[in-house]
Amino acid sequence: QVQLQESGPGRVKPSETLSLSCNVSGGSVISGSDYWSWIRQPPGKGLEWIGYIYNSGRTNYNPSLKTRVTISGDTSKNQFSLRVTSVTAADTAIYYCARARYSSSPFDHWGQGTLVTVSS
Amino acid sequence: QSVLTQPPSASGTPGQRVTMSCSGSYPNIGKNTVDWYQQLPGTAPKFFIDSANRRPSGVPDRFSGSKSGTSASLAISGLQSEDEADYFCAAWDDSLNGWVFGGGTKLTVL
Repeated sequence: QVQLQESGPGRVKPSETLSLSCNVSGGSVISGSDYWSWIRQPPGKGLEWIGYIYNSGRTNYNPSLKTRVTISGDTSKNQFSLRVTSVTAADTAIYYCARARYSSSPFDHWGQGTLVTVSS
Repeated sequence: QSVLTQPPSASGTPGQRVTMSCSGSYPNIGKNTVDWYQQLPGTAPKFFIDSANRRPSGVPDRFSGSKSGTSASLAISGLQSEDEADYFCAAWDDSLNGWVFGGGTKLTVL
């Protein structure tokens, strides 16, 4: 059974960089077909796909965030990470990591989510 | 502003049939399966059913999914109080090579 767990600071100051990690168990971030994604949800609002990493390091990002986002993988720890630069209050959200078995398939496993608040 | 459009709310009484919609465009709903997620308060979304009516084990067959053109629907028959939740639609978008989501529909069981 695949399990995902997000970790990282709960508060980030405006203009700084948000960094989160997702620890994966029961699956492998170097698996050729799995798409490991970050998804966020501002409080009381809808979901937004941020980006994914797959096939040992290939990435793709939501165009709305592409200039500020980096997703990377650490195969030794079986983790993948998210960095968002130059954050503003609009980046305040619950951040989820999730897995899809392949492109166009549903996200069948999710982390519990971690709330990140952008505030000075 | 979500790429997929969902009505913000829906409601029904126990036993009633309720449907909710999800509207998109050709690169997403028009070409790909639509997935529906249920989110209970304070929890992560959970994949519930897709537009080909495939559902994970444990999801009751009172739930059904369908798609026509660039719109999709989720129907719930025999509505129960435990169905009260937020429902989000999502689809792969061939132009983004990524996923797009709807803003969610809050279902209230009266």
